[in-house]
Amino acid sequence: SQQGEEDPQALSIQEGENATMNCSYKTSINNLQWYRQNSGRGLVHLILIRSNEREKHSGRLRVTLDTSKKSSSLLITASRAADTASYFCATDNDYKLSFGAGTTVTVRA
Amino acid sequence: DAGVTQSPTHLIKTRGQQVTLRCSPISGHKSVSWYQQVLGQGPQFIFQYYEKEERGRGNFPDRFSARQFPNYSSELNVNALLLGDSALYLCATGQSSYNEQFFGPGTRLTVL
Repeated sequence: SQQGEEDPQALSIQEGENATMNCSYKTSINNLQWYRQNSGRGLVHLILIRSNEREKHSGRLRVTLDTSKKSSSLLITASRAADTASYFCATDNDYKLSFGAGTTVTVRA
Repeated sequence: DAGVTQSPTHLIKTRGQQVTLRCSPISGHKSVSWYQQVLGQGPQFIFQYYEKEERGRGNFPDRFSARQFPNYSSELNVNALLLGDSALYLCATGQSSYNEQFFGPGTRLTVL
């Protein structure tokens, strides 16, 4: 069964706009990771946020984590066409990652 | 440094056959995990190996097995293939299971 659930399922934005997607999960976690997947190929690791962290930045990415609400968000600022992809959150519970179904982001030129 | 590599890239098999998929980790990574991703869904955990021992297994039948070699590379075997085994099989490696997991490009398996 999948622990994380991303919202929305799909997102279409104009180049230059910001994209925000959310992830909710059910059980306690060690950390939460965000991944990007292009065209059904391998997942690219974007960012890891540990359970004792609240916010983390990496380039145009900003991730927040609220363990009391069991939720996380990923913000991509100033989106580009190359950001078109599926984005997954994955919760790390002991030895395995549990993924949601992902958010498909389309950036229009 | 080379990333995680997987072979083959694509594979077509018929029902009942057996398949072996291979994964080579990033240098220094001792943890290897296998995931199955069916079209339109997120990856599902199959196995994790750390220091050549199985650390965990997901909700998959015994037809699925894996092993890790002394050089930390890994193989995933699937016996008696079913149509439902058609999926992208992903390998992820890390220094440990508590660090970032880096994924390979995957093996696309089609069962006819």
